[in-house]
Amino acid sequence: GAGVSQSPSNKVTEKGKDVELRCDPISGHTALYWYRQSLGQGLEFLIYFQGNSAPDKSGLPSDRFSAERTGGSVSTLTIQRTQQEDSAVYLCASSLFGGRRETQYFGPGTRLLVL
Amino acid sequence: TQLLEQSPQFLSIQEGENLTVYCNSSSVFSSLQWYRQEPGEGPVLLVTVVTGGEVKKLKRLTFQFGDARKDSSLHITAAQPGDTGLYLCAGEENDYKLSFGAGTTVTVRA
Repeated sequence: GAGVSQSPSNKVTEKGKDVELRCDPISGHTALYWYRQSLGQGLEFLIYFQGNSAPDKSGLPSDRFSAERTGGSVSTLTIQRTQQEDSAVYLCASSLFGGRRETQYFGPGTRLLVL
Repeated sequence: TQLLEQSPQFLSIQEGENLTVYCNSSSVFSSLQWYRQEPGEGPVLLVTVVTGGEVKKLKRLTFQFGDARKDSSLHITAAQPGDTGLYLCAGEENDYKLSFGAGTTVTVRA
């Protein structure tokens, strides 16, 4: 079956521009997560969606970052006025319910480079 | 966010040798997961350990969770080139939030 897909796979942008990153979770998975992976660092939690509950946005690094999940499926992570320190791999994951000890299935990531 | 430290940062060994990767924290986790990530791909879950002192084996991989549930190790016996990758540990902070270590890059030379 299809796994988690992300688009674009690579994105190069200029400082100050806005970018949108897309995630298509596994069909039927109600939980969706966004992470950021910078060079030499582990995955940094950004945001969590579960069904119709209010998202956990506690990991978003600044108000330039926002995310939506429409219809309980596709999610978009938006970074406004990009900065060079935003350069990283942005990973999306999904899981069945978002509960304890569930397996999170990761997409291949979007590699963002801000010039 | 609870911090997880992984060591070593890099490990390069010859095919057939053994290796151990460590994951340490000052915090207690309800469970700990190990992932492997290959270039251009997302992490893939290898194992979840839950009970202090637990040992899990997956073929040539042995995972151990410390008695106090603050540390873990991954041991690979007779490493093969296919074991090459970034190994990440992640501690479960709550029902859904994982705290990841920075990872150990393992290279197995043929």
